[in-house]
Amino acid sequence: SQTIHQWPATLVQPVGSPLSLECTVEGTSNPNLYWYRQAAGRGLQLLFYSVGIGQISSEVPQNLSASRPQDRQFILSSKKLLLSDSGFYLCAWSLTGDTQYFGPGTRLTVL
Amino acid sequence: QKEVEQNSGPLSVPEGAIASLNCTYSDRVSQSFFWYRQYSGKSPELIMSIYSNGDKEDGRFTAQLNKASQYVSLLIRDSQPSDSATYLCAVKLRQTGANNLFFGTGTRLTVIP
Repeated sequence: SQTIHQWPATLVQPVGSPLSLECTVEGTSNPNLYWYRQAAGRGLQLLFYSVGIGQISSEVPQNLSASRPQDRQFILSSKKLLLSDSGFYLCAWSLTGDTQYFGPGTRLTVL
Repeated sequence: QKEVEQNSGPLSVPEGAIASLNCTYSDRVSQSFFWYRQYSGKSPELIMSIYSNGDKEDGRFTAQLNKASQYVSLLIRDSQPSDSATYLCAVKLRQTGANNLFFGTGTRLTVIP
């Protein structure tokens, strides 16, 4: 069966510091991978998606970036965090292009 | 008009009652529809998918799809306090490619013991 991991689970970072969040999927090959952000009390905002190694599509221009160095690894990064980057970051995977399965999430607080 | 719309609630129902959650979507040719449950502080988990007009039942959950009216609903029978959560509707719209699943903002359900 497929499982998806995210780490860290929680993170508190100062404004201007760098960020690296990691997501890995087990039990499947060549999944579509997604990064979402959910601000407090808000809906899901798609940030990036990837259909393969090195293939990244950005949905929202901002100070975040994503990379996919391996088939089942997806990384979300920032060089300098803003207060507005606080939120719940969710990684998801899909094989068919419709049903998406979410990881446990990373709660980021920028102070 | 948003692609997927839900009443944000909160929706409160007494324990044992039927909870009815509704979702409308903008793209007439949408083909795939999903309901996710999100407990406070947790990630969304898939509870139902539906692809054809009509009803689909899974335990206490029933998804209803009406493509002509462009709405999908989720009924929860015999609601329990453990059903208290935010329910997200997701619709695969007509666009091709990986980026075609759109989420509503969710309806918060509270089941009162």
